[in-house]
Amino acid sequence: SYELTQPPSVSVSPGQTASITCSGDKLGNKYTYWYQQRPGQSPVLVIYQDNRRPSGIPERFSGSNSGNTATLTISGTQALDEADYYCQAWDSNTVVFGGGTKLTVL
Amino acid sequence: QVQLQESGPGLLKPSETLSLTCVVSGDRIRSYSWSWIRQPPGKGLEWIGFIYDTGSTNYNASLKSRVTLSVDTSKNEISLRLRSVTAADTAVYYCARVDRGGSSPYFQHWGQGTLVTVSS
Repeated sequence: SYELTQPPSVSVSPGQTASITCSGDKLGNKYTYWYQQRPGQSPVLVIYQDNRRPSGIPERFSGSNSGNTATLTISGTQALDEADYYCQAWDSNTVVFGGGTKLTVL
Repeated sequence: QVQLQESGPGLLKPSETLSLTCVVSGDRIRSYSWSWIRQPPGKGLEWIGFIYDTGSTNYNASLKSRVTLSVDTSKNEISLRLRSVTAADTAVYYCARVDRGGSSPYFQHWGQGTLVTVSS
């Protein structure tokens, strides 16, 4: 079965750029989606179709996808961006989620 | 703006059947496909399955033998049944509306989730 691999944790200083990767076989040939989940809350879609932002998502969130790796980039990271982030793709009629990355804003 | 509200029993015993409902407001349920996703405490997201706008279903292979999704258009709600539960089924269960990027589904609208605990 298809797997998406994320680093368990990423740390960033306020105001700096955070990059969270998601790896999967030929992932660049699929659309990747990213969700933010704060503690005790439902996931929120922050990037769809690799690099599109839903209405209401700040411009500091961006995405890319090429080869075997998709990347969520948060520019000018703020304390409120501290959360778990999950990537998601579609393979063989199955929704696949990455294991999640805990972003810590130090 | 679509809203989704899950409900169901919070506590089950092993071998029982989990039954959850998700009431949808702001959308006609037959206009979209819908999904259930779960999250064990402290762990990641796991997709359970879809029920499409056509009424057909698609389930995660790991749960396929135990799960049934259905819709009740008169109540505008989606239902999940999971048979023979074990402690491993303890999770927050979310319903979500399916949106599509081409043929690729994703989830922009989620319910608030409901915690189900399986314990003897």
